[in-house]
Amino acid sequence: EAAVTQSPRNKVAVTGGKVTLSCNQTNNHNNMYWYRQDTGHGLRLIHYSYGAGSTEKGDIPDGYKASRPSQENFSLILELATPSQTSVYFCASGDRLGGGEQYFGPGTRLTVL
Amino acid sequence: QQKVQQSPESLIVPEGGMASLNCTSSDRNVDYFWWYRQHSGKSPKMLMSIFSNGEKEEGRFTVHLNKASLHTSLHIRDSQPSDSALYLCAASISNTDKVVFGTGTRLQVSP
Repeated sequence: EAAVTQSPRNKVAVTGGKVTLSCNQTNNHNNMYWYRQDTGHGLRLIHYSYGAGSTEKGDIPDGYKASRPSQENFSLILELATPSQTSVYFCASGDRLGGGEQYFGPGTRLTVL
Repeated sequence: QQKVQQSPESLIVPEGGMASLNCTSSDRNVDYFWWYRQHSGKSPKMLMSIFSNGEKEEGRFTVHLNKASLHTSLHIRDSQPSDSALYLCAASISNTDKVVFGTGTRLQVSP
């Protein structure tokens, strides 16, 4: 079965601090995604990637950067964390743009104080 | 920007009853619809997908799609307490960049 892992699972950060969320997939999927989930907003796409070395902006990229150093790894970086970035973050992988099933990691709960 | 609207926001059905969930896309170019289920504290998992007009059945779950109205619906018959979850609808355009998710319908099945 598809496997996507995320670390850390929980994180408390201070306002203005730097936060890095990591994601690893063993599915050999080309595409990887970062979403945040907030009550009333569903899943919102932050950044995605077509493959190693590529990153693309999603619907809400402001305040976030992404890095895809390899097929397996995709990171989300908050350079200057703010309380509005408190949320649950999900990473996902998939093998086809748009038309393919996405496999989600377990999520990271981030609290910015 | 493409939007995916789901209704109702929440739904309570008795055990053994039928649950019906709705989803509509605002983008006429959409050609794939997905239904994901997310149990509390867990990550979303794909439940069913539908790409062609008509109906698709898998066990207790049936999905309908009307491409002309960009409307899909998910029906769960003989609902069980384990079906209690957040149901997310997603829409995408083949060979494009991303999938857009709706805000979900929270289903509670009462024993």
